[in-house]
Amino acid sequence: GAVVSQHPSWVICKSGTSVKIECRSLDFQATTMFWYRQFPKQSLMLMATSNEGSKATYEQGVEKDKFLINHASLTLSTLTVTSAHPEDSSFYICSARRADRNYGYTFGSGTRLTVV
Amino acid sequence: AQSVAQPEDQVNVAEGNPLTVKCTYSVSGNPYLFWYVQYPNRGLQFLLKYITGDNLVKGSYGFEAEFNKSQTSFHLKKPSALVSDSALYFCAVRDDTGRRALTFGSGTRLQVQP
Repeated sequence: GAVVSQHPSWVICKSGTSVKIECRSLDFQATTMFWYRQFPKQSLMLMATSNEGSKATYEQGVEKDKFLINHASLTLSTLTVTSAHPEDSSFYICSARRADRNYGYTFGSGTRLTVV
Repeated sequence: AQSVAQPEDQVNVAEGNPLTVKCTYSVSGNPYLFWYVQYPNRGLQFLLKYITGDNLVKGSYGFEAEFNKSQTSFHLKKPSALVSDSALYFCAVRDDTGRRALTFGSGTRLQVQP
């Protein structure tokens, strides 16, 4: 079945540093990848949508210069949180939409980011 | 714009009893509906989806959901709950814009008591 590998699963970083989160589709090609953010006991909020080889589309209120998204291939998308601050601490989840199967969305296992 | 409502923050049920987790939606055009389950500090696991066809959709782990167009609902059900079903459940609808992302409800925590 479709598997999306996301890592790291958790990371602690100091304020002002940058953190990169990777999301790979292991056994399928993902035309589109989505990045979500989840606050404790809350739902998933879409941050951005990325298509392979093109610039990401960010949701309103999401700073594109702070949350850099790269989707260089059909199997890899990265989210870099630049100059992280404590308010960026959250659970980040990626989701890949399959190119070879309609309506299939597979989620990564998530990354717990803590900025101290 | 599309939206999903999960009116219950938490549902409590005794093991062996049937369970229902409610979901209503709003979307222009045909609804593409999903249910996912999330365990602590984990991503989302797919349970089932409705795209077209039979209103009763069967999914993973014995779960099923009933699509009701007139009531714009897509309630998740299971005939006999297990303690291991205790988790956070999300209903989602594919958005009706070009990006085709999923819009999630607020989530319902299911607690199954032994």
